[in-house]
Amino acid sequence: GESVGLHLPTLSVQEGDNSIINCAYSNSASDYFIWYKQESGKGPQFIIDIRSNMDKRQGQRVTVLLNKTVKHLSLQIAATQPGDSAVYFCAERKGGSEKLVFGKGTKLTVNP
Amino acid sequence: DAGVIQSPRHEVTEMGQEVTLRCKPISGHDYLFWYRQTMMRGLELLIYFNNNVPIDDSGMPEDRFSAKMPNASFSTLKIQPSEPRDSAVYFCASSSNYGYTFGSGTRLTVV
Repeated sequence: GESVGLHLPTLSVQEGDNSIINCAYSNSASDYFIWYKQESGKGPQFIIDIRSNMDKRQGQRVTVLLNKTVKHLSLQIAATQPGDSAVYFCAERKGGSEKLVFGKGTKLTVNP
Repeated sequence: DAGVIQSPRHEVTEMGQEVTLRCKPISGHDYLFWYRQTMMRGLELLIYFNNNVPIDDSGMPEDRFSAKMPNASFSTLKIQPSEPRDSAVYFCASSSNYGYTFGSGTRLTVV
């Protein structure tokens, strides 16, 4: 069935280090993926997205990698800052549908 | 653009009471989604609309939940009667094919 899961529920890094957050998905029919950041008391905030016809996309300090062979998605944050501390969710959308299915989330803590 | 606007931000109600949550999507977005977030179950899709028409309500927990979208700029999620297990944060999101934007959510507490 459809499921989106995360390998690590928590991740702690030092300020200035690079962070990598991983996500596994099981639906090979998914054609669109999004990473969201959620701070306490706020709604999920769009970070970066990628379509299934790509394997890498870069934004400002963030990079998303998609490996369709092993159904794996990752979010890389360069030079992690305290303001990056939040819960990060990956979400997938199955082709032909607008339903966005979310993973459980990874809590990123950046230590100064 | 003010983004997706939800009201109220917080709602505390007694078990058995009717609760109505409201959402104003981003102008021009033709999809609207209602999600529920709990610690145990994470973010769950309840229902979504396309051009004001409900497309998939398979995530609606039971008949106590109903959602409407009378026009392109307004949607409601109603719970009647409410129960303590309905306590959660309810998010509305809107999109136009790509880039789903979420509101700030309504934190519902049913006592």
